[in-house]
Amino acid sequence: KAGVTQTPRYLIKTRGQQVTLSCSPISGHRSVSWYQQTPGQGLQFLFEYFSETQRNKGNFPGRFSGRQFSNSRSEMNVSTLELGDSALYLCASSLTMGLKETQYFGPGTRLLVL
Amino acid sequence: DQQVKQNSPSLSVQEGRISILNCDYTNSMFDYFLWYKKYPAEGPTFLISISSIKDKNEDGRFTVFLNKSAKHLSLHIVPSQPGDSAVYFCAALTGTASKLTFGTGTRLQVTL
Repeated sequence: KAGVTQTPRYLIKTRGQQVTLSCSPISGHRSVSWYQQTPGQGLQFLFEYFSETQRNKGNFPGRFSGRQFSNSRSEMNVSTLELGDSALYLCASSLTMGLKETQYFGPGTRLLVL
Repeated sequence: DQQVKQNSPSLSVQEGRISILNCDYTNSMFDYFLWYKKYPAEGPTFLISISSIKDKNEDGRFTVFLNKSAKHLSLHIVPSQPGDSAVYFCAALTGTASKLTFGTGTRLQVTL
């Protein structure tokens, strides 16, 4: 079974731009969660989607948003990029909703904001 | 405010010996804990979890211990193998399981 895939793997943007990252979960998985990893803050939870609805949300500003499609694929959007948004963005999928479910992570998208 | 802390950024252990990775938390509402392992250029991989109703959970070479009164958990790897060299993150959930809070990670190096 194919793992979680994320596209693109690397991205360079400038301040003020917006970016959209994509995540395809493992086939049959219906929950997708997003995380940000930075050297200073470590790994931080962004949000979880299940059945096209955001179920849980971390402490990030409204510039960070996401959505999930009927095939469980998910996108994350960051608007008005700031230098501090440079990070590795990870998505993880699980069979069903709930952060206690075993999550399978993708390799991440590394975003650099100049 | 770092609610989950891994105070040792790195740890070096000889192959065959025990690796002990520590994690402390401050939020008494956390009631479920997880450990993840991460290799460079890969996403984290789930290792083992423990509910607050237990004080120990074992899975092969990996054992997690939870001391609720001290708000402390530890991951024991016995015996350590070179393939265990990675960054280890502990993570915690509250009862509502609505937000996963991670520690900053400990880099484990298992030497020959």
